[in-house]
Amino acid sequence: GENVEQHPSTLSVQEGDSAVIKCTYSDSASNYFPWYKQELGKRPQLIIDIRSNVGEKKDQRIAVTLNKTAKHFSLHITETQPEDSAVYFCAATSGTYKYIFGTGTRLKVLA
Amino acid sequence: DAGVIQSPRHEVTEMGQEVTLRCKPISGHNSLFWYRQTMMRGLELLIYFNNNVPIDDSGMPEDRFSAKMPNASFSTLKIQPSEPRDSAVYFCASSFKTGGEKLFFGSGTQLSVL
Repeated sequence: GENVEQHPSTLSVQEGDSAVIKCTYSDSASNYFPWYKQELGKRPQLIIDIRSNVGEKKDQRIAVTLNKTAKHFSLHITETQPEDSAVYFCAATSGTYKYIFGTGTRLKVLA
Repeated sequence: DAGVIQSPRHEVTEMGQEVTLRCKPISGHNSLFWYRQTMMRGLELLIYFNNNVPIDDSGMPEDRFSAKMPNASFSTLKIQPSEPRDSAVYFCASSFKTGGEKLFFGSGTQLSVL
């Protein structure tokens, strides 16, 4: 069945450094790729998303890149801050109600 | 809009008791999802409603779980009888369209079954 693999499972970076989280999807029909941030004890919140007709999207310090050929997409956070510490989930969907979520990356930004 | 509203935020109950979780989706959203989140299994889709109609309940783990959506602004997830392995965070989410759109999650219900 459809699958999304996410790496790494944990990531520690120094404040100010960049963080990169990578996801690989299996369903070539996937065309929408959201990223969610979940702080401890809180709801997943959408931080950025990308559609298959776009290769890159940026919003201030966060960016997402998509490589449809390789079926990879990545989240990039620059100039990390302590408040970026959270669990990040990628997801993929082919336009149906089935969102396939990655297993999450716990990001720690060390002050 | 206040976003997706879930209640209660926390529920502690004893094994065998009935548990009812509630959700109010964002007004105008026609798709509603119930997810369960655990450390071991991550986010699992339990059931999906479109225009108040259950479309896919294949993720509901057992007959002990049931869900309803009597109208566009209210849904419930019921567990009867509850068991300790049901302990998890249950999220309701809604979206504007059937798929390929932003999912908005509620604050979740932390369920503990003793």
